[in-house]
Amino acid sequence: AQSVTQLGSHVSVSEGALVLLRCNYSSSVPPYLFWYVQYPNQGLQLLLKYTTGATLVKGINGFEAEFKKSETSFHLTKPSAHMSDAAEYFCAVSIGDMRFGAGTRLTVKP
Amino acid sequence: EAQVTQNPRYLITVTGKKLTVTCSQNMNHEYMSWYRQDPGLGLRQIYYSMNVEVTDKGDVPEGYKVSRKEKRNFPLILESPSPNQTSLYFCASSLSGTWVTGDTEAFFGQGTRLTVV
Repeated sequence: AQSVTQLGSHVSVSEGALVLLRCNYSSSVPPYLFWYVQYPNQGLQLLLKYTTGATLVKGINGFEAEFKKSETSFHLTKPSAHMSDAAEYFCAVSIGDMRFGAGTRLTVKP
Repeated sequence: EAQVTQNPRYLITVTGKKLTVTCSQNMNHEYMSWYRQDPGLGLRQIYYSMNVEVTDKGDVPEGYKVSRKEKRNFPLILESPSPNQTSLYFCASSLSGTWVTGDTEAFFGQGTRLTVV
């Protein structure tokens, strides 16, 4: 069965600094991988997804993620954090069903 | 506008009083699902539906019921709520078939914050 582990329940960065949110997956077959963002009092929105093809995936708001099969990872990055990036981020894996990680809350300091 | 609509957004109820949380989508999606979100646990699937009249249990189905009589609606029913069902609930929808293969996007409702006292 597939599963997702997000390393770090809370990440804090300064505005303008690199954002790195870690996600490792477990799957017996090649997975589809997703990152979702949840702003306060809202539902989840898709940031980006990896299905097949290019392993570096670009999403909305300047985020990107790289699928590394050898490391079973799908880390989310953004070169320069904005205050508006403060939210909770969920990594998800899908093979017939979608499983979510526990989430990482990103705080951006001025 | 494509959307998933949940009602109510907030609900406080007492133990044992039956309640229903509605979910409706306007995208003609065949697949719908309910999740609960709890701190440190992420989203856990309660029930899902591949199509009308087809439902199945997710990871945490105990204490919940669902029905799918129409494609657009997927209500979540708590027959006898208990305090451990206090949580934030999300409904989601997606294209069927492609959901099964994983190659699709899930659209989420705004959430329903339920408190059972």
